[in-house]
Amino acid sequence: KAGVTQTPRYLIKTRGQQVTLSCSPISGHRSVSWYQQTPGQGLQFLFEYFSETQRNKGNFPGRFSGRQFSNSRSEMNVSTLELGDSALYLCASSPGSREGQPQHFGDGTRLSIL
Amino acid sequence: GNSVTQMEGPVTLSEEAFLTINCTYTATGYPSLFWYVQYPGEGLQLLLKATKADDKGSNKGFEATYRKETTSFHLEKGSVQVSDSAVYFCALESYNTDKLIFGTGTRLQVFP
Repeated sequence: KAGVTQTPRYLIKTRGQQVTLSCSPISGHRSVSWYQQTPGQGLQFLFEYFSETQRNKGNFPGRFSGRQFSNSRSEMNVSTLELGDSALYLCASSPGSREGQPQHFGDGTRLSIL
Repeated sequence: GNSVTQMEGPVTLSEEAFLTINCTYTATGYPSLFWYVQYPGEGLQLLLKATKADDKGSNKGFEATYRKETTSFHLEKGSVQVSDSAVYFCALESYNTDKLIFGTGTRLQVFP
């Protein structure tokens, strides 16, 4: 069974630009969550999507948004990029039944803002 | 709110030494608890989990027991290998959510 796939692996952008990251979950998984990992703040939850609907949201500004398609694939968008948005963005998928099923992570997209 | 506290690293051990990485949590209700491991340049891999009090999760020689009375989920391994060198994250998932709350991570370095 293929794992969680994130594309691209690396991105370099400049301040003020916008970026879109993609995540393909494990087949059959309906929940996709996004996390930001930085040396200073650690791992922080961004949002979760289930059946094309945002089901949970972390404490990030509105510049961070996402969506999920009918095939469960998800995209995350960050607009008006700031230097502090440089991070590893991780996507995780799970069945979505909320019964303690673990989330499975992709290898992440490393975003660098110049 | 919910939170996870892990011991500071790095933890430096010789091969075949005993490992303990402490993890305590604060949560309402009955969270599920997890240990994830991250190798350089990679995402997080699930190491083990426990979903209720007194459950013991185990995998690849690692173990952790869900202790509700001490709100702890300490990771242990009897004999570490160089290949265990990585960053270990303790995490909780509140009941009825898919939101993971992570500790700060503990870097383990094992020398031959």
